[in-house]
Formats: sequence, structure tokens, C-alpha cells
Amino acid sequence: DIQMTQSPSSLSASVGDRVTITCRASQGISNYVAWFQQKPGKAPKSLIYAASSLQSGVPTKFSGSGSGTDFTLTISSLQPEDFATYYCQQYESYPLTFGGGTKVEIK
Amino acid sequence: EVQLLESGGGLLQPGGSLRLSCRASGFTFSDYAMSWVRQAPGKGLEWASTIGNSGVDTYYADSVKGRFTISRDNSKNTLFLQMNSLRAEDTALYYCARSTLVSGRGYFHHWGQGTLVSVSS
Repeated sequence: DIQMTQSPSSLSASVGDRVTITCRASQGISNYVAWFQQKPGKAPKSLIYAASSLQSGVPTKFSGSGSGTDFTLTISSLQPEDFATYYCQQYESYPLTFGGGTKVEIK
Repeated sequence: EVQLLESGGGLLQPGGSLRLSCRASGFTFSDYAMSWVRQAPGKGLEWASTIGNSGVDTYYADSVKGRFTISRDNSKNTLFLQMNSLRAEDTALYYCARSTLVSGRGYFHHWGQGTLVSVSS
């Protein structure tokens, strides 16, 4: 099974900050990584697929990068609506696996 | 607009059975693989099962293999999850998700709002 190690598990940041979340796969997975945002009491929302492709309708302040085993999600300028939990997920092979999540909180 | 509406959740005792449903609309259901993803209270996301667009190919997490069965009725645009031999650790919000294929692999593009399953004595 492919393990997805996401870090940090939580972070505190201020409005306007640049935030980077990382995800490391236990083996190479090309670019088969997606990123999701989840707000309390809501379903996850797709942000990024294929490691760096922005989902339609998602603001360009979100960006993804990486290939192989190391991936990042960056929020260029954090806004109040961005405080949420973020998950990475690999879809290269079954079983499909998620990272443990990163909770982004207000400093 | 893609819509996924789950139903069938509830409270039941260990060892019990439950059948979840996910009614889809806004897209050609038979063209897409579908999945169930669950989230235990206060925990992260866990993939449970995926079914191919025709219903022939099915995949399961080890944690549910042999107890859960995924199926679909393309004539009714509905996805199912038959859950047997339920355990306390199956307690979770169960999301229905539609995949979109990119470069031969499917990612979770659209999500329902979830249905809650609670297993407790």
C-alpha cells in the first residue's frame, strides 16, 4: 500500500500569509495526487488534481506542484475563507490513500 | 450541476447490516466510476470502495473487504453500499464520490454531503 505522509498536521497562520503543505508518498506515484479542502460540517471539495491542475472554479491563489514522491499545496495569500483542513490523496493505485490532513487555523 | 444524495444511514448494533444509497443526477451516471469514502468522527478521510462505470470492476479497502459490497444500478442512477457484520469502528460519515478520469486514473471530483452510520451497543 502507498502511504501518504502529510505535514504539518496543523499550522497557525495570519491573513495574507503564504502557506505550504507537503505530502510525501511512500513510493513513486507520478503525478496522481489530488488535494481537497474540507470545512467543518461540510463535504470535501476538490482543489487540485494531477498534482498541479487547478479544479475549475477554484481561485488561482491555490497551486500544487510535485511529481514522484514529493508534493506541495500552496496558498499564496491566506484569506478568512481558507481556514479549513486540507488533505492530499494518491490515486495511482488501489488501495486509494489519503494523507492525515492539515488543519489551517487563524493565528 | 452534479448532485449526489446519500441516504440509508442510521444507528445500529454491532453485527448488524445496513444498505446505503447514493442517488446521482446532473451527469451520465453510467459513464463514471463511483466510490464510497468515509470519515470517522473527528478523524481524516478513508477510502472504502470503488466500482467501475459498468459495475464489473470493484475494489475494497482491507478494512471492509468481505463485509461490504458495492454495487450500482445504472438504470436508476444509484450507487449502493451493502454493509454487513458492522463494527464500532465502522462508525463514520459515509460520502459518495464521483471520479473523473485524467490520464487513465480517476480522482474524486464530486462529493455528496454524506450519510451517518453509527454502530454501538
